Amino acid sequence: GIQVEQSPPDLILQEGANSTLRCNFSDSVNNLQWFHQNPWGQLINLFYIPSGTKQNGRLSATTVATERYSLLYISSSQTTDSGVYFCAVGRGGGNKLTFGTGTQLKVEL
Amino acid sequence: DAGVIQSPRHEVTEMGQEVTLRCKPISGHNSLFWYRQTMMRGLELLIYFNNNVPIDDSGMPEDRFSAKMPNASFSTLKIQPSEPRDSAVYFCASSWGTEAFFGQGTRLTVV
Repeated sequence: GIQVEQSPPDLILQEGANSTLRCNFSDSVNNLQWFHQNPWGQLINLFYIPSGTKQNGRLSATTVATERYSLLYISSSQTTDSGVYFCAVGRGGGNKLTFGTGTQLKVEL
Repeated sequence: DAGVIQSPRHEVTEMGQEVTLRCKPISGHNSLFWYRQTMMRGLELLIYFNNNVPIDDSGMPEDRFSAKMPNASFSTLKIQPSEPRDSAVYFCASSWGTEAFFGQGTRLTVV
């Protein structure tokens, strides 16, 4: 099956700092989503981005499908950004997702 | 829309008991997914349905696990008999062809 690798596995930031999270995948995909799992365990949709670039407030994402990677940018980080960020990809029909192992982010004051 | 609704939020049961997890997908979505999250294996797909029909159950770990979708607004995941290694957070998700949305999960503890 398709492999999804995320880096870095862990990240500690001071509030206000910027960061870039990376997701590499082993095969062509037609679905890519970024999620934030908050400290209460809820999976929150950030982006549906199989290709191209999107922005939502302090967050933006870029997927280069031909090179099999996606990047999530977090600017001016806040303590509420803490949690685990997952990249998930899908291919073919059905829209079933394969998840990466996540990036654990902690934002400190 | 209220989003994907799962119940119960927490379940503690004794080994050997039957456990039933429930999910109500977002209205109008035609695909429903069950995922399991553990520290060791991360988030993994157990089974998915399209138009209420099971399409891929290759992720179901054992015959002790079964899932049904009797109609477009309801699905169940049953574990019988339950074992301590089944302890995990179980997520239900739904989609309409593209973006998938997840419920808040059921935290299952089997003692």
